[in-house]
Amino acid sequence: LAKTTQPISMDSYEGQEVNITCSHNNIATNDYITWYQQFPSQGPRFIIQGYKTKVTNEVASLFIPADRKSSTLSLPRVSLSDTAVYYCLVGDMAGRADDMRFGAGTRLTVKP
Amino acid sequence: DSGVTQTPKHLITATGQRVTLRCSPRSGDLSVYWYQQSLDQGLQFLIHYYNGEERAKGNILERFSAQQFPDLHSELNLSSLELGDSALYFCASSVAGDSGELFFGEGSRLTVL
Repeated sequence: LAKTTQPISMDSYEGQEVNITCSHNNIATNDYITWYQQFPSQGPRFIIQGYKTKVTNEVASLFIPADRKSSTLSLPRVSLSDTAVYYCLVGDMAGRADDMRFGAGTRLTVKP
Repeated sequence: DSGVTQTPKHLITATGQRVTLRCSPRSGDLSVYWYQQSLDQGLQFLIHYYNGEERAKGNILERFSAQQFPDLHSELNLSSLELGDSALYFCASSVAGDSGELFFGEGSRLTVL
């Protein structure tokens, strides 16, 4: 059973807000939710991490409902350079192999 | 620049050969992770070391091995190489390895001919 489920791909246009949802029905009490961004032929880059409610930084917001069974990464006013693969990870990252799995991610394409 | 250094950046070799990929983590980071990414595939977790000890093992083949040295750098050894081993190999580091942010290197691109 997959630990996280994300849409395989999404399309958007420049200037729009993009919301990518990740389902994690079996999230454990100690688990955090972390999102990474990856451009072609580059290593993933940390975007944001949260445990509950809402977290915001300079590039994104992360919304986590009370039951924590899903989370939504929100990218405000995307540009062409936001075209990338976005990965959702769930775990306390305490060395468990399952916590290290990135899954297939969501391929976001931003169009002009 | 993530602060994680991987060498070599590119490597071309033949089937049946053995190669070693090297990773220097960020200064102060105790954890090193190795991932394999084949063309248009997701990141496959291989192995995690924390302060010299193996912490978690993922989809790592028996032909592959890794270690983390006392100075915290890590090496991934790939032997009896096959065409299917051609991939980008990423190393990541983190301070402690729990709930923390992973910092990825630029990867080592291995091509097996």
